[in-house]
Amino acid sequence: EVQLVQSGAEVKKPGESLKISCKGSGYSFTSYWIGWVRQMPGKGLEWMGIIYPGDSDTRYSPSFQGQVTISADKSISTAYLQWSSLKASDTAMYYCARHGGQLVADYWGQGTLVTVSS
Amino acid sequence: ETVLTQSPGTLSLSPGERATLSCRASQNVNTNFLAWYQQKPGQAPRLLIFGAFSRATGIPDRFSGSGSGTDFTLSISRLEPEDSAVYYCQHYGSSQYTFGQGTKLEIK
Repeated sequence: EVQLVQSGAEVKKPGESLKISCKGSGYSFTSYWIGWVRQMPGKGLEWMGIIYPGDSDTRYSPSFQGQVTISADKSISTAYLQWSSLKASDTAMYYCARHGGQLVADYWGQGTLVTVSS
Repeated sequence: ETVLTQSPGTLSLSPGERATLSCRASQNVNTNFLAWYQQKPGQAPRLLIFGAFSRATGIPDRFSGSGSGTDFTLSISRLEPEDSAVYYCQHYGSSQYTFGQGTKLEIK
């Protein structure tokens, strides 16, 4: 069974750093792209970027380029999304998703809620 | 960048009726890379349709996708209360993904 399990909710202060994770299981982790999607409170879905764990090829949405870093450790089948300096506007639910055939997000993690508040 | 515009913003229908959700692209898109997702409150999105027409695994045949060029449609027949959700279209092209802003479907 394909599963993506994300790390737990985080509460951080502005300016702090953060790295959240997404662990894949039940499939060949290195053979599928993993993408990250932001959903701000009460808002729609925003595509942030995507990584191919096999070779760490990474693509970013222009809206998120330079704001976050996407990485992966294929030895432990885990993808990451990290911030070096959080802002209050980073408060959101973040989802990871496996991208299968035709590059659609066919399996999703349960989401990680990030709250940034002073 | 391709912009996807969904309409209507909210759709309120009764059980048993048929829902028609629209997704219009700012330029022609490859139908191979047009998808629809369903998101219920408090849940992660779920893939419904990929390649504009193909149902994902486990999706009932009440859900169907159609369209080409710039105009795409998600149809849901014989509405059930469990179909209440927000529906998003998505396009992939030139290593970038774009979501529409979503259509909220309410089942009265």
